[in-house]
Amino acid sequence: DAGVTQSPTHLIKTRGQQVTLRCSPKSGHDTVSWYQQALGQGPQFIFQYYEEEERQRGNFPDRFSGHQFPNYSSELNVNALLLGDSALYLCASSLRSLAYNEQFFGPGTRLTVL
Amino acid sequence: AQSVTQPDIHITVSEGASLELRCNYSYGATPYLFWYVQSPGQGLQLLLKYFSGDTLVQGIKGFEAEFKRSQSSFNLRKPSVHWSDAAEYFCAVGAPGTASKLTFGTGTRLQVTL
Repeated sequence: DAGVTQSPTHLIKTRGQQVTLRCSPKSGHDTVSWYQQALGQGPQFIFQYYEEEERQRGNFPDRFSGHQFPNYSSELNVNALLLGDSALYLCASSLRSLAYNEQFFGPGTRLTVL
Repeated sequence: AQSVTQPDIHITVSEGASLELRCNYSYGATPYLFWYVQSPGQGLQLLLKYFSGDTLVQGIKGFEAEFKRSQSSFNLRKPSVHWSDAAEYFCAVGAPGTASKLTFGTGTRLQVTL
């Protein structure tokens, strides 16, 4: 049973470019959340997708957008990259119908903006 | 708004010694509480969780945590630390319900000396 997978593992971009990160949830899960983890910090919630719609959003600008596909996989898009967007981006999946919100995390995508 | 405080940025213990990592949370009611561990360059692995019931919860790798409502704390403990426990530890809080966002602390880096 595959866990949460993310691609690519590492990515280097320059300021002003756009980037797309991808996530496949754990088998049987229908909800995907994205987190940004800056160096030396805890993860910060970006947004969450369920039934192909954004359901919750953290304090991130509109440059951060996402999408969820019918197979529950998800993409995170960041436009007009800034140096401060350099971070580890984590995807977490969960099953919405469960009474508790245990989330399983992927290994992350390390984004470096030069 | 929910928040988590991990007052210890860095802790060093000798192998075989006991360990306690502190976590204080702010939330209007009883939240869901989690401890995650992150090894260098890796994603987050769930150690244990508290939703309700017995305030002492057991997790993987010999870890346990105790929920103290009066102190708004959820401290992580291990009676005897192994060198492989060296990692970053994150406490997180989530609103009760299905798949709500997690709010993380800034983490505690554990170093184990031989």
